[in-house]
Amino acid sequence: AQKITQTQPGMFVQEKEAVTLDCTYDTSDQSYGLFWYKQPSSGEMIFLIYQGSYDEQNATEGRYSLNFQKARKSANLVISASQLGDSAMYFCAMNYGGATNKLIFGTGTLLAVQP
Amino acid sequence: NAGVTQTPKFQVLKTGQSMTLQCAQDMNHEYMSWYRQDPGMGLRLIHYSVGAGITDQGEVPNGYNVSRSTTEDFPLRLLSAAPSQTSVYFCASSYSILTGMHSGNTIYFGEGSWLTVV
Repeated sequence: AQKITQTQPGMFVQEKEAVTLDCTYDTSDQSYGLFWYKQPSSGEMIFLIYQGSYDEQNATEGRYSLNFQKARKSANLVISASQLGDSAMYFCAMNYGGATNKLIFGTGTLLAVQP
Repeated sequence: NAGVTQTPKFQVLKTGQSMTLQCAQDMNHEYMSWYRQDPGMGLRLIHYSVGAGITDQGEVPNGYNVSRSTTEDFPLRLLSAAPSQTSVYFCASSYSILTGMHSGNTIYFGEGSWLTVV
């Protein structure tokens, strides 16, 4: 069965510093995708970054990068140069069941950026 | 997320009442799905659709019905609301996901619908 594990319920980071949010996954699928979403206090789900299981290079989107270690089944999100607006809940998710958009989510990490 | 529109944003229901959460997208996406989010948990899949006329169950389908008569709309029906269905509901849509490949596509979410059943 597929599973996403986020072991950090909460994290603090100083403004302008980098932070890594951990995500490990379990799947028997050979082909899958990993997503990170940001959920601010207003509640919407904001897509940040996607990594395909066959992508050989780590995905990057602006200040976000995904540290993909396939053998270890980890997909950590790195946020560089943290900003106050980065304070939010962050969810790691994986699509499963073949070429569908069915997602399984982790329980999230609450990030607080301190000035 | 202007492309996925959910209504209503807030709703209070009495136990046993029925209602429909509406979801519409204007991006011509084949895939649409419904999730619920409960405190301290990630989103869980309720139902999904791979195209008009095709729906299937997700992880927590009990108590919910869906249909997909058009590409644009994917309503979620609560037939007889229960307090256990108090949750935040998210609709999502996407093009076909090329699993394992960086296709440039992603899964878009609506802004959520807060439902309380008393």
